Amino acid sequence: NAGVTQTPKFRILKIGQSMTLQCTQDMNHNYMYWYRQDPGMGLKLIYYSVGAGITDKGEVPNGYNVSRSTTEDFPLRLELAAPSQTSVYFCASSYMRAGHTIYFGEGSWLTVV
Amino acid sequence: AQKITQTQPGMFVQEKEAVTLDCTYDTSDQSYGLFWYKQPSSGEMIFLIYQGSYDEQNATEGRYSLNFQKARKSANLVISASQLGDSAMYFCAMREGLRAGGTSYGKLTFGQGTILTVHP
Repeated sequence: NAGVTQTPKFRILKIGQSMTLQCTQDMNHNYMYWYRQDPGMGLKLIYYSVGAGITDKGEVPNGYNVSRSTTEDFPLRLELAAPSQTSVYFCASSYMRAGHTIYFGEGSWLTVV
Repeated sequence: AQKITQTQPGMFVQEKEAVTLDCTYDTSDQSYGLFWYKQPSSGEMIFLIYQGSYDEQNATEGRYSLNFQKARKSANLVISASQLGDSAMYFCAMREGLRAGGTSYGKLTFGQGTILTVHP
């Protein structure tokens, strides 16, 4: 049972570098989300998608980009990494039905130095 | 405007006692869902309980119950008979626009969290 898979789990980036956080789910969910969580804080929504080809901004989209070319994959792109992007990133997915459980990945720890 | 507000940064409770974690929300959608998640120190997000805006009864899942007061826009989590393993961060979350055409179609927003510490 794979569920929601995020890679990489840990990464150190230098300022100005770019990278992509991968997220894949094998449950045929149409809703997918990317969050960031700073230490001791809540989860802030970066981007979300309600289906292949449809994405929308969340609360903190600046510095990030997403795409949703398939139902399974929802990669998050960081362009020109900055220290303020040091955080734990969570991907999540669910069906488009009221009450359906939202499944989370294990998180990706990103440090920008 | 904050969509989900958890006003208790930290709560303490004695083992075997009950505790209530507060959550208020703000939405203009008629159809929405409210969730509670637990995040232990290991970092994973664990689903606890769900309440739909049209559900007439308060949700219950084992030792967890959700005190849903729609008019006051509150969705407090009640944990009965606290256990040491309940010590964790707890998040309230809301998913809006559950019906197609809602203004915040599918958006899922989290509160700031409450750290619960259970004392023996």
